[in-house]
Amino acid sequence: AQTVTQSQPEMSVQEAETVTLSCTYDTSENNYYLFWYKQPPSRQMILVIRQEAYKQQNATENRFSVNFQKAAKSFSLKISDSQLGDTAMYFCAFGRQTGRRALTFGSGTRLQVQP
Amino acid sequence: DAGVIQSPRHEVTEMGQEVTLRCKPISGHNSLFWYRQTMMRGLELLIYFNNNVPIDDSGMPEDRFSAKMPNASFSTLKIQPSEPRDSAVYFCANTGRGVGAEAFFGQGTRLTVV
Repeated sequence: AQTVTQSQPEMSVQEAETVTLSCTYDTSENNYYLFWYKQPPSRQMILVIRQEAYKQQNATENRFSVNFQKAAKSFSLKISDSQLGDTAMYFCAFGRQTGRRALTFGSGTRLQVQP
Repeated sequence: DAGVIQSPRHEVTEMGQEVTLRCKPISGHNSLFWYRQTMMRGLELLIYFNNNVPIDDSGMPEDRFSAKMPNASFSTLKIQPSEPRDSAVYFCANTGRGVGAEAFFGQGTRLTVV
C-alpha cells in the first residue's frame, strides 16, 4: 500500500514571495504519478500540477513547479510570486500506473498568503 | 462538459434518517470514486467503480453505507441510518481511460447529521 505524508499542517507566506510545500511518499512501485491539488475555501478540488515518475524533468505550470526526487521519494511544490488567491489547502496525491486507479492523498497543508 | 456534478451541495438531516448523495460523472470517464473528507481523517477513499462495477469497497466504513452505479451516467452513495459521526464532505471524482489520468472532482456534498 502507498502512503503520502505532508508534514507541514500550516504555512504562511507574504504576497509576492516564494514558498515550498513538502511531500514524501512510500511505495514499492517504480512507475506511478504524483499530483498536487489545491482546495480553496469553495472546497473545489483543483489540479495544480502533475508529475510522471518516469520523467526526470520536474514539472512546471506557470508559477508552480515541483522538485521531484525519486530516490528520496520526495515531491515538493514551489509556488513563486505568491498571490492572495493561492490561499488554500494543498494536497499531495499518489496515483498508480496500473491496477487500482484511486489516488492516495496526504493530510494537506493549509497555506495562507498574507498581504 | 460541465464536469462532475454532485447533488445536493448541502444536506442537513436528523440522526436515523436515510441520506442519498448523487453524482453525475463526466461522459466517457470510466473510473468513479467516492471520497469522504473530515478534519480528523482527511480524504478517505470509500469506494471505487470501474466501468460501473465496484472494484474496491474496502473503505466503506460500515454496512450503513452503500453505493451504486447503475449506469455510466449516475452514481449514488446512501447512508441508512445516518449518524452524527457521518458528518463530512463527500466527494465524487472521476478519471478517464488514460494511464495516470488526473482525477476530476465534483464540488462535494457537505453532510450534517444532527
